[in-house]
Amino acid sequence: AQSVTQPDIHITVSEGASLELRCNYSYGATPYLFWYVQSPGQGLQLLLKYFSGDTLVQGIKGFEAEFKRSQSSFNLRKPSVHWSDAAEYFCAVGAGNAGNMLTFGGGTRLMVKP
Amino acid sequence: NAGVTQTPKFQVLKTGQSMTLQCAQDMNHEYMSWYRQDPGMGLRLIHYSVGAGITDQGEVPNGYNVSRSTTEDFPLRLLSAAPSQTSVYFCASSRPGGGGYQETQYFGPGTRLLVL
Repeated sequence: AQSVTQPDIHITVSEGASLELRCNYSYGATPYLFWYVQSPGQGLQLLLKYFSGDTLVQGIKGFEAEFKRSQSSFNLRKPSVHWSDAAEYFCAVGAGNAGNMLTFGGGTRLMVKP
Repeated sequence: NAGVTQTPKFQVLKTGQSMTLQCAQDMNHEYMSWYRQDPGMGLRLIHYSVGAGITDQGEVPNGYNVSRSTTEDFPLRLLSAAPSQTSVYFCASSRPGGGGYQETQYFGPGTRLLVL
């Protein structure tokens, strides 16, 4: 069975600083990988996804993520954080099974200092 | 398109009460799922459906029932609420996948449930 680990429960960065959120997965084959963002009191919004091909994927709101098979990682990055990026971020993996089920990491809560 | 909608937004129940969380989507998606979100645990799959009349269990199905009579709707029933079911519940929908292919899931805004 697949699993996802997000090692950082909380991260605080200053506005304008760069950001990297870590995600490690466990899965036997090539996974389908997703990053979702959840603003306070809101649902989940898809930031980006990796299915195959180029290992650096671009998403919405200036986010990107890099798939590294050798490290079983799919870290999310942003070069310059804005105060509106404060939210909870979830990494998820899918196995391409019927139902499109996802296994989620525990989430990383991002706080942005002015 | 409204996307995935959920009602109610917030509900308080007493232990032993029953209720139904509603989920509807207007994207003609065949697949629908229910997840619960608990602090530090991310989202965990409760039940899912790959089409009208077809449902299956996820990781944490105990205490919950589902049925899928139409493509649009996928209600989640709590038969006898327990404090352990205090959580935020998310419904999601997607186009068909499977056979090694994964489609993106789209999530509703969530229902926050408190069981006293």
